[in-house]
Amino acid sequence: GENVEQHPSTLSVQEGDSAVIKCTYSDSASNYFPWYKQELGKRPQLIIDIRSNVGEKKDQRIAVTLNKTAKHFSLHITETQPEDSAVYFCAASTGAGNQFYFGTGTSLTVIP
Amino acid sequence: NAGVTQTPKFQVLKTGQSMTLQCAQDMNHEYMSWYRQDPGMGLRLIHYSVGAGITDQGEVPNGYNVSRSTTEDFPLRLLSAAPSQTSVYFCASSDLAGEGEQYFGPGTRLTVT
Repeated sequence: GENVEQHPSTLSVQEGDSAVIKCTYSDSASNYFPWYKQELGKRPQLIIDIRSNVGEKKDQRIAVTLNKTAKHFSLHITETQPEDSAVYFCAASTGAGNQFYFGTGTSLTVIP
Repeated sequence: NAGVTQTPKFQVLKTGQSMTLQCAQDMNHEYMSWYRQDPGMGLRLIHYSVGAGITDQGEVPNGYNVSRSTTEDFPLRLLSAAPSQTSVYFCASSDLAGEGEQYFGPGTRLTVT
């Protein structure tokens, strides 16, 4: 099955700086890559996603890039704010059944 | 529109006991899944369903059973609880297979002693 690795496991940045979280996947058939944000004690919520026919997608301060050849994708958060502090998970899916494979998460702390 | 609901929020079981975690959604989604979340391990898929009457195993199905008799409900049964099943359990639903947003429930925190 698919194996998704995520780095780093923890990340601290100063408010206003950028944060980058990277994920790699193993199954070349994976074609959908969502990112979820989970605040402490809350449920995960989708913040952005990208499909394999697109190399980059932006939504305000958040962007995701995908390199299919290298099988990696990254989340970029610019102008970080304290409310960006949370655990972020990447995931990958081939579209078969309804199977999503998640990374192990990155705990982001934005220092005011 | 309540979205995805889960009960109970917290549960403590003794080793060997059985129980059912309830999950319901009111969005008429065909696709539902159960995940467990452990520190440092991310979210791991236990079982999933692509419609009423159809279920399949995910990454970590051992010790769990599911059924999907209606579109709305997707209960998860622990057959004989073990300390290794101490975890936070999330149910999720979506209207697309393998893409699009998965809507998560609030989670059930289970402790097995």
